[in-house]
Amino acid sequence: DTVLTQSPALAVSPGERVSISCRASEGVNSYMHWYQQKPGQQPKLLIYKASNLASGVPARFSGSGSGTDFTLTIDPVEADDTATYFCQQSWNDPPTFGGGTKLELK
Amino acid sequence: EVQLVESGGGLVQPGRSLKLSCAASGFTFSNYYMAWVRQAPKKGLEWVATISTSGSRTYYPDSVKGRFTISRDNAKSSLYLQMNSLKSEDTATYYCARQGYGSYLYNWFAYWGQGTLVTVSS
Repeated sequence: DTVLTQSPALAVSPGERVSISCRASEGVNSYMHWYQQKPGQQPKLLIYKASNLASGVPARFSGSGSGTDFTLTIDPVEADDTATYFCQQSWNDPPTFGGGTKLELK
Repeated sequence: EVQLVESGGGLVQPGRSLKLSCAASGFTFSNYYMAWVRQAPKKGLEWVATISTSGSRTYYPDSVKGRFTISRDNAKSSLYLQMNSLKSEDTATYYCARQGYGSYLYNWFAYWGQGTLVTVSS
């Protein structure tokens, strides 16, 4: 299975720019997607196919990358962005998720 | 507005069975692949099953293959997950998800329900 590796946690101040990385153990073309999960809630799609903003998601969120290295960027970060962010690939079978990056606000 | 509402979770003994349901609304259910994704307590996400629009094709990871069965009733806009021979490691919140455009692979989980908790314990 394709393993997706994410940093466990990040802490940033409101107004700053933050980049959350996801590295795949093998190429996934552009089929990397990003989700936000706030405490006690279900995941929410933010970015699909590496760089496409999902419906209703603020333009502060953006995605980039291809192959094995991908980045979710939030600029500027707001207090409401406190959450865990998961990447997911769907190029290789089976679909797999990263372990998640917990974003905390200072 | 897309809505997905799961039900059927609860406490079940190891080796027993449980069936989850998901009621969908706000979109044409029969046009989309549907899936189940689970999350063990304080853990990450794990894809559990996907079903094609007609229900003729189903997909599972090795961890549940042969024990779980996904199905759908397009007339009722409903998705199901029959879980047999449950193990303690199946303990998780189970989310119903509508996939984006396309088929099983090259797809994403566009909308998620609020989840239903399944606890497998004696």
